[in-house]
Amino acid sequence: GDSVTQMEGPVTLSEEAFLTINCTYTATGYPSLFWYVQYPGEGLQLLLKATKADDKGSNKGFEATYRKETTSFHLEKGSVQVSDSAVYFCALISSGNTGKLIFGQGTTLQVKP
Amino acid sequence: GAVVSQHPSRVICKSGTSVKIECRSLDFQATTMFWYRQFPKQSLMLMATSNEGSKATYEQGVEKDKFLINHASLTLSTLTVTSAHPEDSSFYICSAKTGGVETQYFGPGTRLLVL
Repeated sequence: GDSVTQMEGPVTLSEEAFLTINCTYTATGYPSLFWYVQYPGEGLQLLLKATKADDKGSNKGFEATYRKETTSFHLEKGSVQVSDSAVYFCALISSGNTGKLIFGQGTTLQVKP
Repeated sequence: GAVVSQHPSRVICKSGTSVKIECRSLDFQATTMFWYRQFPKQSLMLMATSNEGSKATYEQGVEKDKFLINHASLTLSTLTVTSAHPEDSSFYICSAKTGGVETQYFGPGTRLLVL
């Protein structure tokens, strides 16, 4: 079945460091790919998405490129801030399904000043 | 736009009682709503999918008689945890989407503690 695998956390960085959170997926067809962010004690917020190969999603300085050849959707940010500390979830929706999101296990990011 | 609210944000109840959680789409019509459960430091587990006016579709292993879901209107879905027990304590999150749009918008979650 469809699945999403994220790098294990926690990831601890200093402010202004470069961030990469790896995400790979297994799916039939051409899924849509998402990154969601969850701040402490809150629900999930959509961070960015990409719906087809080579698309780049971007928001708030975060970027991720849909790489079909490597089945990856790695999240990057050039300079993280303390306020970016949160849990990041990679997810997919398979083409042709009922809109069910398949989530990765989440990666905790902690940014220290 | 695309705001989803949940009420209550936190609830504490005694074992054996029932608890109702509301999920509302505030500025769009949610033809489909999803209910998730999240354990500490873990990912979200989909419990059920509900389409407005239809019976909910439950994921394997989720007891439909224990977790009653009603999606009576295009802006409201409710999850009732019946005869709650301590093992039902968790963070419950709903999401909503409209029509053929893929993107789901999530509520802020409800933390349930059963004593």
